[in-house]
Amino acid sequence: NAGVTQTPKFQVLKTGQSMTLQCAQDMNHEYMSWYRQDPGMGLRLIHYSVGAGITDQGEVPNGYNVSRSTTEDFPLRLLSAAPSQTSVYFCASSSSRGTEAFGQGTRLTVV
Amino acid sequence: GIQVEQSPPDLILQEGANSTLRCNFSDSVNNLQWFHQNPWGQLINLFYIPSGTKQNGRLSATTVATERYSLLYISSSQTTDSGVYFCAGDQGGGGADGLTFGKGTHLIIQP
Repeated sequence: NAGVTQTPKFQVLKTGQSMTLQCAQDMNHEYMSWYRQDPGMGLRLIHYSVGAGITDQGEVPNGYNVSRSTTEDFPLRLLSAAPSQTSVYFCASSSSRGTEAFGQGTRLTVV
Repeated sequence: GIQVEQSPPDLILQEGANSTLRCNFSDSVNNLQWFHQNPWGQLINLFYIPSGTKQNGRLSATTVATERYSLLYISSSQTTDSGVYFCAGDQGGGGADGLTFGKGTHLIIQP
């Protein structure tokens, strides 16, 4: 099993550009989430999903969209990138038992 | 939402020392977990421990749910234990609502 796979690993965007961070898991987990990690802080929840077709907002959802058309995939879209969105982004998945598995992260810089 | 406080924020130890990391929650949690983020940024799930005590090699964890805290013990520290340790929890079943993270304990093990 590959676990949770995120692409790309690194990305530089110009202010105002849009992009999609990809996340896929092969563990048949129902729950998937996106977090961002900023220096000196823990991870903060952006959006989460409890199953295909169901998504909800976390603590810091502004500027981000998600969709969950399949169990395996949970892409995160930045509609119009801003310097405040410079961060490291983590995708995670878990089963009903709750143990969270994380992807390798995407380091995003917005200039 | 719940608040998560971790202590100490920073810890520098010599190889072979033991340490105790603490996590306090502002409210009861159902899905408490400990993670290690290595110097390369990878997040590894150490324990899923909503209550009781678990051990895995040199690491063990105890959660006292009624008093809303959890402890992570590291014995006979090795340089590979360096990194940031996070605790996280939520108030839903499984991973449904996403996790709220503390700001972490930055651990440095010196040879």
